[in-house]
Amino acid sequence: RKEVEQDPGPFNVPEGATVAFNCTYSNSASQSFFWYRQDCRKEPKLLMSVYSSGNEDGRFTAQLNRASQYISLLIRDSKLSDSATYLCVAQTSNYQLIWGAGTKLIIKP
Amino acid sequence: DAGVTQSPTHLIKTRGQQVTLRCSPKSGHDTVSWYQQALGQGPQFIFQYYEEEERQRGNFPDRFSGHQFPNYSSELNVNALLLGDSALYLCASSLGGGSGELFFGEGSRLTVL
Repeated sequence: RKEVEQDPGPFNVPEGATVAFNCTYSNSASQSFFWYRQDCRKEPKLLMSVYSSGNEDGRFTAQLNRASQYISLLIRDSKLSDSATYLCVAQTSNYQLIWGAGTKLIIKP
Repeated sequence: DAGVTQSPTHLIKTRGQQVTLRCSPKSGHDTVSWYQQALGQGPQFIFQYYEEEERQRGNFPDRFSGHQFPNYSSELNVNALLLGDSALYLCASSLGGGSGELFFGEGSRLTVL
């Protein structure tokens, strides 16, 4: 079993819709979690940090469920520019980052 | 304020050759981490350098080695290249030994023929 698992997608979503995807992690000692966005053939860029129960930043909401060991990302009012691969990351107690393989999101006009 | 810069951006090598990739961290950052990202996969941690020493290492063979210089820039060396080493190599910088936010360079895309 992979340490961080994500549905690879692609998720094909019409513009303006709400989309959510989950990420599960196996290491219960993981301290912090992040969502990164990666455009095709580009470097990952930090989208959101998830330190406690969750947080919200504009159209984006991230939630953490420690009991079930998953985090989620919700995108409201999706834009064409939201099309990208979303990478889930778990940080261990020694600050090492464990990455999921990413979920591909395609927003269609 | 310069971000993380990597060189070269693209390179092609043949099996058995050696390659050196370079990274300059974001201004003010002292920690450099290297990742390998194969197509369709998430980044895989190779190692991290802080205070010119390798602090952590992922599950990569000894063919992968690195170095950090006094100005915090870093090199990744890969010897005896294999076809499976073809990937995007990402450098990420942070402050304070890796607990802070990572900033990535655009990567070096290595193709091994």
